Amino acid sequence: AQSVTQPDIHITVSEGASLELRCNYSYGATPYLFWYVQSPGQGLQLLLKYFSGDTLVQGIKGFEAEFKRSQSSFNLRKPSVHWSDAAEYFCASGAGSYQLTFGKGTKLSVIP
Amino acid sequence: DAGVIQSPRHEVTEMGQEVTLRCKPISGHNSLFWYRQTMMRGLELLIYFNNNVPIDDSGMPEDRFSAKMPNASFSTLKIQPSEPRDSAVYFCASSNALNQPQHFGDGTRLSIL
Repeated sequence: AQSVTQPDIHITVSEGASLELRCNYSYGATPYLFWYVQSPGQGLQLLLKYFSGDTLVQGIKGFEAEFKRSQSSFNLRKPSVHWSDAAEYFCASGAGSYQLTFGKGTKLSVIP
Repeated sequence: DAGVIQSPRHEVTEMGQEVTLRCKPISGHNSLFWYRQTMMRGLELLIYFNNNVPIDDSGMPEDRFSAKMPNASFSTLKIQPSEPRDSAVYFCASSNALNQPQHFGDGTRLSIL
């Protein structure tokens, strides 16, 4: 069975600092990978997706993620965090079905 | 384009009452998902439909929960009778193809007193 692990439950960064949120997946073949963001009281919004090809994927709001097959990772990055980025971030994977497997999320706090 | 629309946004009701949550997926999407989100358990898939047919309902907690999709533009999730432990945020999501992203509604925050 697939699984998605987000090792960090909560991360705090200063505004303007760089950010990396970790995600590891377990699946034999190359999965389809997604990052979502959830602001308080809102639904999940898609930030970016990886299907194949270039392993560095650009998303909305200045985010990017890199697929590393050797590490089974799909980490999310942003060079300079803004206070409005404070939210919860979910990594998800899909493989050959309509269902997605979600990680448990990483809550990001931003210090002004 | 309109996104996934859920109603109501908030529902507060007493234990034992019937609760009906509604969802309108994005037009043209053929898959619909119901999720429940709580602090303790995170995001849980309850059931999903493909072309209006329930494909996997293994996540439905118990017989008090039921879901229907009478047509491609409408789905309901019903809880009868409701219990305080059903309090959560319920999300509906839709997708238009295999392995494509799911698009989420803003959720229904349900409180059972």
